[in-house]
Amino acid sequence: NAGVTQTPKFQVLKTGQSMTLQCAQDMNHNSMYWYRQDPGMGLRLIYYSASEGTTDKGEVPNGYNVSRLNKREFSLRLESAAPSQTSVYFCASSAEGQSYNEQFFGPGTRLTVL
Amino acid sequence: AQRVTQPEKLLSVFKGAPVELKCNYSYSGSPELFWYVQYSRQRLQLLLRHISRESIKGFTADLNKGETSFHLKKPFAQEEDSAMYYCALSGYSGAGSYQLTFGKGTKLSVIP
Repeated sequence: NAGVTQTPKFQVLKTGQSMTLQCAQDMNHNSMYWYRQDPGMGLRLIYYSASEGTTDKGEVPNGYNVSRLNKREFSLRLESAAPSQTSVYFCASSAEGQSYNEQFFGPGTRLTVL
Repeated sequence: AQRVTQPEKLLSVFKGAPVELKCNYSYSGSPELFWYVQYSRQRLQLLLRHISRESIKGFTADLNKGETSFHLKKPFAQEEDSAMYYCALSGYSGAGSYQLTFGKGTKLSVIP
């Protein structure tokens, strides 16, 4: 099992460019999440998907869109990148139904917006 | 609203010294708390969760509802413990899904 995978690992964009970060999991989890990690800010939830076909905003959704393509895949799109979106992005997944369920994280995508 | 506070951004200890990473939370319901760890250039991984009441890599954490705390402790620090540690609180977000609210993290540096 690969667990949670993310592509790309690194990306440099110019202001105004768009891109999609891809995430996939092979653990048959219903719930998937996108976070951003910034120095001194910890991890902040951007969007999450409780199940296939549903998505909801997290703490910092502005400037992002998401698609839950199927149960395995959850993508994050930046339509018009801004320097404030320079960050490390983590995707995570978890089984549903219990508050104590572990979230499994991907390796991260390091994004720089110039 | 739920909130997690980790008051120390950086904690430096000598090898063999005790370690305590502080975590305080605010939550109206019955909390489920976790410690996640991120070693250099690696993905976040679960270290321990309070419901399991287990010791992982010599670390323990006790939930104190009176003080709303979930401090992480280890009696003797090792160099390989150097990492970023995040305290997290699980809250229900609807449709059978739970969200984690993370603290801002504490970087532990163990000095040889």
